[in-house]
Amino acid sequence: GESVGLHLPTLSVQEGDNSIINCAYSNSASDYFIWYKQESGKGPQFIIDIRSNMDKRQGQRVTVLLNKTVKHLSLQIAATQPGDSAVYFCAENTDGNTPLVFGKGTRLSVIA
Amino acid sequence: DADVTQTPRNRITKTGKRIMLECSQTKGHDRMYWYRQDPGLGLRLIYYSFDVKDINKGEISDGYSVSRQAQAKFSLSLESAIPNQTALYFCATSARPGQGPDGYTFGSGTRLTVV
Repeated sequence: GESVGLHLPTLSVQEGDNSIINCAYSNSASDYFIWYKQESGKGPQFIIDIRSNMDKRQGQRVTVLLNKTVKHLSLQIAATQPGDSAVYFCAENTDGNTPLVFGKGTRLSVIA
Repeated sequence: DADVTQTPRNRITKTGKRIMLECSQTKGHDRMYWYRQDPGLGLRLIYYSFDVKDINKGEISDGYSVSRQAQAKFSLSLESAIPNQTALYFCATSARPGQGPDGYTFGSGTRLTVV
């Protein structure tokens, strides 16, 4: 079936560098996309979201890019800090009445 | 206090026992969800409820049941626990479309071990 997935299961970056976490989705009807951060021992926390009528959205140190042509979503973290170390999940749904479908996650490790 | 509270935080139970995981929320959200998290498999949906009288199966509902006792409470039961139900369980809530942010608010999780 159609699903949300990730290219890389783990990512190690040097403190201060930029991080890019990727996510591929297969459902062309997906309308809403969201990134979550999960720290050890905690539940997932909202980072940023984007709708299919946009291709870029920026938050504080984070940017989400959406390429609908190739069904690809990415999360960019600027000036990565040790506190950014966590597992990052992308999720999507096709409309407001379907639950979010989550990808398998990428572990980001920041090297001090 | 946390917006979404799950109890217990940790539980060890024996095979064949019935166990209930509870979730309560102060967000005022209509919608509630139960997800299961296993290493390498991400979050998988067990059941969800869009209001008090609404219950829907998710991707992996076999072996589980739920009860939506009130808008603020959504419990998950394992009628006869088995070892492969050992996992981290998350409750989440969300607002109706147009009535708030579309993202989910998650609880801190319940770590369940079935021996």
